[in-house]
Amino acid sequence: AQSVTQLDSHVSVSEGTPVLLRCNYSSSYSPSLFWYVQHPNKGLQLLLKYTSAATLVKGINGFEAEFKKSETSFHLTKPSAHMSDAAEYFCVVTTNTGTASKLTFGTGTRLQVTL
Amino acid sequence: ETGVTQSPTHLIKTRGQQVTLRCSSQSGHNTVSWYQQALGQGPQFIFQYYREEENGRGNFPPRFSGLQFPNYSSELNVNALELDDSALYLCASSSSGYGYTFGSGTRLTVV
Repeated sequence: AQSVTQLDSHVSVSEGTPVLLRCNYSSSYSPSLFWYVQHPNKGLQLLLKYTSAATLVKGINGFEAEFKKSETSFHLTKPSAHMSDAAEYFCVVTTNTGTASKLTFGTGTRLQVTL
Repeated sequence: ETGVTQSPTHLIKTRGQQVTLRCSSQSGHNTVSWYQQALGQGPQFIFQYYREEENGRGNFPPRFSGLQFPNYSSELNVNALELDDSALYLCASSSSGYGYTFGSGTRLTVV
């Protein structure tokens, strides 16, 4: 079964410094991986997705993630954090159940950005 | 193109009651999925509908049921509400399984 593990439940960075949110995946075949962001009391917004094309995926708001098969990782990065980046981030993998394709979420990483 | 719209945004129900949550899919999307997000946790898959048929279900009891209509909108029904059903319920629509668009959710509180 496909699953993802987010290695940090909470990450704190200063505004203007790099962001690294770590995610490892487990999959018996080439997975489809996503990063979603959730701001307080809001729904989920897609940041980026990997679907076996380029291993370096660029997303919205300056975020990017690199798929590393040898390390089974899909870490999310951003060169310079902004206060508006403070939110909960979820690493997600698609899993097949019956004829459906469902999203399996990690436990989330809360990103705090300080001045 | 329109996004995914959920209603109501907030709801308070009493234990044992029944509730219906609604979701309008994004234009062109024929698949809708429902997720439950308890406080401080990641969303959990409830079930998925494709062309009005349930084609996948997570680890939720039968009192969680759904419908999908010909226009691909959907309902989530929960019977015999329990306190642990208090959560944010998210609807996601997709097409071909690669583009999931989420609504803003319905916050259900069971008292």
